[in-house]
Amino acid sequence: GAGVSQTPSNKVTEKGKYVELRCDPISGHTALYWYRQSLGQGPEFLIYFQGTGAADDSGLPNDRFFAVRPEGSVSTLKIQRTERGDSAVYLCASSVQGARRTEAFFGQGTRLTVV
Amino acid sequence: QQQVKQSPQSLIVQKGGISIINCAYENTAFDYFPWYQQFPGKGPALLIAIRPDVSEKKEGRFTISFNKSAKQFSLHIMDSQPGDSATYFCAASGEYGNKLVFGAGTILRVKS
Repeated sequence: GAGVSQTPSNKVTEKGKYVELRCDPISGHTALYWYRQSLGQGPEFLIYFQGTGAADDSGLPNDRFFAVRPEGSVSTLKIQRTERGDSAVYLCASSVQGARRTEAFFGQGTRLTVV
Repeated sequence: QQQVKQSPQSLIVQKGGISIINCAYENTAFDYFPWYQQFPGKGPALLIAIRPDVSEKKEGRFTISFNKSAKQFSLHIMDSQPGDSATYFCAASGEYGNKLVFGAGTILRVKS
């Protein structure tokens, strides 16, 4: 695809359930980022992958959140035992490489609603 | 901890006017300052970015002014158009990789 693709666009889940959010980065981009955007706020960093490995997961709020990128392309953000406070738009971004000052391209996001 | 403070929260400008959004940062390790534009239901898109070794960068109607000593930078949108109505985020990075720290955003409305 031409851009970063995220699926699903919207996800409604019940409190306590498990969810997976998928990100397809731009082909050839080795760096991949997950951010979380709460209503009326700027995106907040969650995790950064360089290739298959998580180079920086300092933004993950707790151990209910986990992300993988097994083949260095598609990434999945996994949230266990969802809570109402997890409701937000989850954004994925990719860049050609993880070098500093490299433009990050964002997907349209997945809006997660926990009821 | 909010490391990038953005103001104002919202802004209304007449068509043809100048829109000005300000940001201030705390971390002196930051060395890359992009501005992103976000339309409803879309992800942020890079508008313009600056490094701290220059004081100003202009691209079309968009200009970033940077004041390293004051740790402040601003976005100026000249000849603002209704199509510029969107949310604007300043951001900064300088740590490992390209992890961005975003401001809280400014909702810009350009009245025609």
